[in-house]
Amino acid sequence: DAGVIQSPRHEVTEMGQEVTLRCKPISGHDYLFWYRQTMMRGLELLIYFNNNVPIDDSGMPEDRFSAKMPNASFSTLKIQPSEPRDSAVYFCASTSTPDQQPQHFGDGTRLSIL
Amino acid sequence: AQSVAQPEDQVNVAEGNPLTVKCTYSVSGNPYLFWYVQYPNRGLQFLLKYITGDNLVKGSYGFEAEFNKSQTSFHLKKPSALVSDSALYFCAVRDRGGGFKTIFGAGTRLFVKA
Repeated sequence: DAGVIQSPRHEVTEMGQEVTLRCKPISGHDYLFWYRQTMMRGLELLIYFNNNVPIDDSGMPEDRFSAKMPNASFSTLKIQPSEPRDSAVYFCASTSTPDQQPQHFGDGTRLSIL
Repeated sequence: AQSVAQPEDQVNVAEGNPLTVKCTYSVSGNPYLFWYVQYPNRGLQFLLKYITGDNLVKGSYGFEAEFNKSQTSFHLKKPSALVSDSALYFCAVRDRGGGFKTIFGAGTRLFVKA
């Protein structure tokens, strides 16, 4: 079975540009999570969805970040405008009820903002 | 507030020797506890989880973890380490009945020397 699929795997762009990260969760999973991983801050939860509805976005760093889930098989995380401090690895993960289930992670998008 | 502590940034062990990666947590109630492993340029992979019952949980690749309620610990163990076990290990907790928000530790890097 296909796992969580993220694209692109690597993104290099200049400061001020819009960045869009994409995620396809595992089919049948009704929870989707976006995380950011850096050396300094470790793994941070940015936002998570249940049945395409955002449940907790308290980890979204600022208004430059937005996330959407238009359907059960697709989600995007956008940064506009991007800044060098946004450079990190961004992970998408999915899981399903009951709440004892582990999360399944994609292989991440390595984002570099110059 | 919920928290997870992995007191060691790095653990070094010789191949064939037993290994332990430590984790302590602070959360109200009885949490679900997880261990994940991350290899370079990959997402986190689920190793094992504690839900209830036997305090010794067995997982993938010969790993096991011991839940200790009085010490609020969930240490990861393996009787005989392999060089291929070298990776970054994350302990995680989730509040039982509190939704899907999962708190991850900072990670412990395991080096297994041949």
